[in-house]
Amino acid sequence: EAQVTQNPRYLITVTGKKLTVTCSQNMNHEYMSWYRQDPGLGLRQIYYSMNVEVTDKGDVPEGYKVSRKEKRNFPLILESPSPNQTSLYFCASSLAGTGEYGYTFGSGTRLTVV
Amino acid sequence: KQEVTQIPAALSVPEGENLVLNCSFTDSAIYNLQWFRQDPGKGLTSLLLIQSSQREQTSGRLNASLDKSSGRSTLYIAASQPGDSATYLCAVRKGTYKYIFGTGTRLKVLA
Repeated sequence: EAQVTQNPRYLITVTGKKLTVTCSQNMNHEYMSWYRQDPGLGLRQIYYSMNVEVTDKGDVPEGYKVSRKEKRNFPLILESPSPNQTSLYFCASSLAGTGEYGYTFGSGTRLTVV
Repeated sequence: KQEVTQIPAALSVPEGENLVLNCSFTDSAIYNLQWFRQDPGKGLTSLLLIQSSQREQTSGRLNASLDKSSGRSTLYIAASQPGDSATYLCAVRKGTYKYIFGTGTRLKVLA
């Protein structure tokens, strides 16, 4: 089944403890992206990747890192999480970054930083 | 700067009604527009994708239209059912690598 898989689904952590949220897609998509969703603010893009080893900042990149060493994986790294990063996170992928194709989303990761 | 607005923020209708959800965007230079459904605590499911050269797309009871010149899209749901209750999001593809999302319309269909 074609899908985007995120792990974990739920995570509670303490301020400052490094964490990684994984994202994997099995559709050979070139383009992958991370979003956070907060009440009243909608989905905001954190980082995106056009292909292996090619990443760029979205609208809210502060406090996050990403890497794209393999085409299928696009982990989101929080080096020193803070309570304002408590949010619902989504990974998405698309066949290409050129605009002709829609998105496939993962099921989300609900992160709480205390 | 592209802004995407969805009004109303919430909507309740009795089962069986036909309804229209609205999406407005400020910059007509878009590649495409996509409608999503989001169930509580879950990810987004793609419903319909309309390319910038298209006027509408249909899937089952859903019909989405796009009027780029006026910066509007509508999602028409025919014969609504309680299972249609969810949040509906629209997103425009602005530039090569970016989707800009609206904040969604929370729909409740009453049995």
